Amino acid sequence: NAGVTQTPKFRILKIGQSMTLQCAQDMNHNYMYWYRQDPGMGLKLIYYSVGAGITDKGEVPNGYNVSRSTTEDFPLRLELAAPSQTSVYFCASSPPGQGVETQYFGPGTRLLVL
Amino acid sequence: QKEVEQNSGPLSVPEGAIASLNCTYSDRGSQSFFWYRQYSGKSPELIMFIYSNGDKEDGRFTAQLNKASQYVSLLIRDSQPSDSATYLCAVRMDSSYKLIFGSGTRLLVRP
Repeated sequence: NAGVTQTPKFRILKIGQSMTLQCAQDMNHNYMYWYRQDPGMGLKLIYYSVGAGITDKGEVPNGYNVSRSTTEDFPLRLELAAPSQTSVYFCASSPPGQGVETQYFGPGTRLLVL
Repeated sequence: QKEVEQNSGPLSVPEGAIASLNCTYSDRGSQSFFWYRQYSGKSPELIMFIYSNGDKEDGRFTAQLNKASQYVSLLIRDSQPSDSATYLCAVRMDSSYKLIFGSGTRLLVRP
């Protein structure tokens, strides 16, 4: 298994541009999550999904959108990028029945908005 | 505002010593508590979680929970230089899938 994969690893965006951060897992996990981590800070939950077609807001959803059309993929869309969205973005997934107790994190996407 | 607080450190200990990492949380209704380790430039890795008051041991790691004092700690026995990392405390404050993370404590283990 490849586990949780994220693309790209690093991206520079100009203010106002849009992009999609990709996240995929091949472990047949129901639960998937998007976090952001600002320098020297902990993780903040952006969105999460408990299964295909079901998504819900986390702590900091403004400026982001998600979709979950398949079990494997959970892309995060940034519309109208702002400098405040400069961060490292982590995707995670959990097996059925284990919720947040067992989260497998991807390697992260470093985003710089200038 | 539900909060999880950690001292940012760095906490510096000599190799072989016990490292004690602390975390406080604001919501008395919090249900479960997690410790993650994060090496610089890497993603977080779960060390252990605890639900009930008292101690929970896993190898060199012991988590301690005191719900009355809203306090959770992580002890690392026989600290090794490879334990040098940032340790994140996270709290699940209700029955949802949301974790609230602290900002982390940086641990340095001196050889």
